[in-house]
Formats: sequence, C-alpha cells, structure tokens
Amino acid sequence: LAKTTQPISMDSYEGQEVNITCSHNNIATNDYITWYQQFPSQGPRFIIQGYKTKVTNEVASLFIPADRKSSTLSLPRVSLSDTAVYYCLVGTLVGGGADGLTFGKGTHLIIQP
Amino acid sequence: DAGVTQSPTHLIKTRGQQVTLRCSPISGHKSVSWYQQVLGQGPQFIFQYYEKEERGRGNFPDRFSARQFPNYSSELNVNALLLGDSALYLCASSLVSGQGGYNEQFFGPGTRLTVL
Repeated sequence: LAKTTQPISMDSYEGQEVNITCSHNNIATNDYITWYQQFPSQGPRFIIQGYKTKVTNEVASLFIPADRKSSTLSLPRVSLSDTAVYYCLVGTLVGGGADGLTFGKGTHLIIQP
Repeated sequence: DAGVTQSPTHLIKTRGQQVTLRCSPISGHKSVSWYQQVLGQGPQFIFQYYEKEERGRGNFPDRFSARQFPNYSSELNVNALLLGDSALYLCASSLVSGQGGYNEQFFGPGTRLTVL
C-alpha cells in the first residue's frame, strides 16, 4: 500500500478556502485517492475520491496532478463546523476490501472565527 | 434510513476481563469491518466480514475475534483486556466486500472502551 504524508495540523479562518496536500510518491497505477473527515468521537465520513485531474462534489474538490504523486483537498469557504481531522487514503480497493482501509494520522484542521 | 449503529456507546472494564461490542450495519449492507482507533491516531483495521465469513484480518493478536450473524450484524470480542486496548472501536458497513473497485464504507459512531 502506498504511504501517505500530510501535515499534522492546519489553521484557517471562517470564509477562507483551505487546501490540504497529501504526498503519495509510491502510488500504484490502480490506486485511487480518497479523503475522509472525522469529527471528535465520531466515525470517519467519506468526502471525495478521485483517480486523476480534478473531481468536485458539493462538499469539496480534489486536485490530482498528472504524475499522481500528490493530491490536494480543497474546502471552499470553510466554517467553524469544518474543524475536524482529514485523512488521505490511497489504495486499490478504497472501500476497504479484505485489507481494510489504511489510515494515517491525518491533518487536524482548526477553523477560527 | 438509519446509519450504522453500535452498542454500547461507552464501556469501562478492568485488565483481564472480556468485552463484546456490537454493530448493526446499514440495511442492505452485507459487509462489516472493525477498526480500533487509539487517541491521536487514525483508525487501524481489525477485521472484515462478508456474508458471515471472515474475509480479512489486520495485525491484531488472537485475543481479538469477531463474527457476523445471518442478519449481517456483527460482534467484536476482546479477551484478556490490556490497558493498551483502551480505544474507540469503530464499525463500518458496505454493500459488498470491495471486490471490483470502489465501495464506500460507512462508519458508525464507535464504542469508547476504557480499560483500567
């Protein structure tokens, strides 16, 4: 499984756009990139998934350069409720499969008023 | 529709005791996975069950066991509890086992286990 590296923590303010970058230099051809969000004392929640270029949904955008060695989760106009831990996952069977999902330590995003 | 439910919400045990945690998947989901999340770390995969059979196991000792019932609910058992077993235990359900590509996992709120 490809190892991921992301910042331990980030701070921002309400209304700003937040970009969290994840490095995955050893990503394999069949690997997808998936981001999960976790609030304290809750289970992780799927945010977005992509393979290449750009993916956008109602919550976030995911930018993946051509070499796929990194990816950036973009949260537009964040609010206090976006304060959470964000995990970048890389793997073939991003639903988990027999090997389960592999979570790192994630990025603790703190949004201030 | 109800999401993944877990019981109990909190649990306090002492070293050496045994504990059973329960999980009910989203209706229609046949796959259940268990994760352990120690404070400050990401969740770590323990087991996956699909159609009542164990399909995957993470790097956990044999003190950890699980099973899945005909209604697809699941139990996680931990024997001979250690202080280091204190964690949030998460259950996740999905439609299938993950074969064939993307298959989103939906997590429950977890059971907070404290071992004294």
